[in-house]
Amino acid sequence: RKEVEQDPGPFNVPEGATVAFNCTYSNSASQSFFWYRQDCRKEPKLLMSVYSSGNEDGRFTAQLNRASQYISLLIRDSKLSDSATYLCVVNKGGRGNAGNMLTFGGGTRLMVKP
Amino acid sequence: ETGVTQTPRHLVMGMTNKKSLKCEQHLGHNAMYWYKQSAKKPLELMFVYSLEERVENNSVPSRFSPECPNSSHLFLHLHTLQPEDSALYLCASSQDLRGVDTQYFGPGTRLTVL
Repeated sequence: RKEVEQDPGPFNVPEGATVAFNCTYSNSASQSFFWYRQDCRKEPKLLMSVYSSGNEDGRFTAQLNRASQYISLLIRDSKLSDSATYLCVVNKGGRGNAGNMLTFGGGTRLMVKP
Repeated sequence: ETGVTQTPRHLVMGMTNKKSLKCEQHLGHNAMYWYKQSAKKPLELMFVYSLEERVENNSVPSRFSPECPNSSHLFLHLHTLQPEDSALYLCASSQDLRGVDTQYFGPGTRLTVL
């Protein structure tokens, strides 16, 4: 079983649509969680951290369910510029722990069409 | 831009060549990383350095040899590579090694081994 699993997509959605991505992770010792965004032939960039209480940043909402080892990302009112690959990332290290070892999912590709 | 630079951006080498990849971070960070991103595979952590000391070697073959002369510079020395080593090699840095320290990625070196 992969450590971090994502549906590779692609998700093809029209502008203005709401789209949700899911991710599961296998290591119950994981302590911190992120969504990164990677544009074609570019480096990954942090989109947002994910907290158990859920967190929102504009049109983006991330949710973590530790019991189910499940992470989600919701994008509302999709823009053409949201087209990218979204990477689910987990980390064994936490707030006080040394060990910044990121484990990446394979990514979910999103294509927003006009 | 992220403040992490990598050179060269593209490299083609034969299996008998020796080459080096260079990474420089201008963020005042203490930790640096090498990742490999192969086609159709998730990013894989290769090496982690903290304050110029290697803290992780993720079962990487010895034909890849990292060097961290100071906290701003990281090298990856390559020799007798195989065609399957062709990939995007990404450098990243973070403030420290805590799990909540965001990793910032460089643009990568796209390596082709003939």
